[in-house]
Amino acid sequence: QKEVEQDPGPLSVPEGAIVSLNCTYSNSAFQYFMWYRQYSRKGPELLMYTYSSGNKEDGRFTAQVDKSSKYISLFIRDSQPSDSATYLCAMTRTSSNTGKLIFGQGTTLQVKP
Amino acid sequence: GAVVSQHPSWVICKSGTSVKIECRSLDFQATTMFWYRQFPKQSLMLMATSNEGSKATYEQGVEKDKFLINHASLTLSTLTVTSAHPEDSSFYICSATSGTGADTQYFGPGTRLTVL
Repeated sequence: QKEVEQDPGPLSVPEGAIVSLNCTYSNSAFQYFMWYRQYSRKGPELLMYTYSSGNKEDGRFTAQVDKSSKYISLFIRDSQPSDSATYLCAMTRTSSNTGKLIFGQGTTLQVKP
Repeated sequence: GAVVSQHPSWVICKSGTSVKIECRSLDFQATTMFWYRQFPKQSLMLMATSNEGSKATYEQGVEKDKFLINHASLTLSTLTVTSAHPEDSSFYICSATSGTGADTQYFGPGTRLTVL
């Protein structure tokens, strides 16, 4: 069993839709959670960083963490064609910058105009 | 700020040759850099962690004699794939950390290696 599970998609939605991306994890030691966006043949770019159960909002993006269920989500409101990318969840045990990040497989999102 | 570059962006080489990939932090000093590989439609897998001036720490299953990592300065780390084979073909991504938090890893654009 993978430590982090993420549906690879692809997920296709019309412009303006609300997008929900999810990851589940098996190790309760993970305490710090991140969402990255990766465009084709580019490196990941950090979108959201959370460490508490609950919601964190930043513009059109909302990250949700449910540690009791070992489930995290990223919601994108008013999705735009420019949001078309692969979204990777990542998590780590420590808040340190040298902690090992464990990534999900990534979900490919396409937002159609 | 916090820009990480990689060179080359893509490389094709013959089986048995060695390839060097550079990772640079352009506007910050990085005491720690990480090397990942990513196969198509798969997640990033950490290969090794390198600290400036010391030997890299490799993840289980990664051959340190095949993937040589040198972190000679606070802005440069290199990954050399020695005696490359077709199964080494992959997307190699580095990251560098500028701060103290788990959210301070900045990723390079990646290097696509194709071994013929």
